[in-house]
Amino acid sequence: AQSVTQLDSQVPVFEEAPVELRCNYSSSVSVYLFWYVQYPNQGLQLLLKYLSGSTLVKGINGFEAEFNKSQTSFHLRKPSVHISDTAEYFCAVSDDRGAAGNKLTFGGGTRVLVKP
Amino acid sequence: KAGVTQTPRYLIKTRGQQVTLSCSPISGHRSVSWYQQTPGQGLQFLFEYFSETQRNKGNFPGRFSGRQFSNSRSEMNVSTLELGDSALYLCASSFPGGDTEAFFGQGTRLTVV
Repeated sequence: AQSVTQLDSQVPVFEEAPVELRCNYSSSVSVYLFWYVQYPNQGLQLLLKYLSGSTLVKGINGFEAEFNKSQTSFHLRKPSVHISDTAEYFCAVSDDRGAAGNKLTFGGGTRVLVKP
Repeated sequence: KAGVTQTPRYLIKTRGQQVTLSCSPISGHRSVSWYQQTPGQGLQFLFEYFSETQRNKGNFPGRFSGRQFSNSRSEMNVSTLELGDSALYLCASSFPGGDTEAFFGQGTRLTVV
């Protein structure tokens, strides 16, 4: 079984300040890691994903995340946020058993509120 | 190319009724997954279909069911609706494999009264 914990349910941040959203996971098998963003009344959009290789992953809209296997973490960062980054962010994992299909396990989400 | 299309966008049903939600995946995607999103439980996996076969199933009662057609379009059905079934139901399509990106629709907002 897999689980994902997002340590902060809400993160207020001022415009142009940096932000870090924390994500820890637990799994008995190797996993793939994802960050998705959800804007109000919308579905989810992929920001970035870690499959293998370099532990620093760059995504869309200036976001990046670092995979730390020893700490089972996959924290998301952005050096300078904009008002338009106000949204809910979800960390998710899926396992690497390709034949087993597509199933994402999500964390509880982190609401980011960017203040002017 | 067209994204994932879910219909209807909004739905109000009465407790005890049943409901069918529809999802049209991105062209070429044969895997379709369904998720329930509520404020209390967050995003929870319902089930996944690939080539008309259910490959994965989440921990939901048998009132929740789904199917997939030969053109990869999928439907999910909830029978005997309960107030707690009120949620945003999201459909995602992808290529097969846990390493692929899931593309989500805008969801169907179901309200049970």
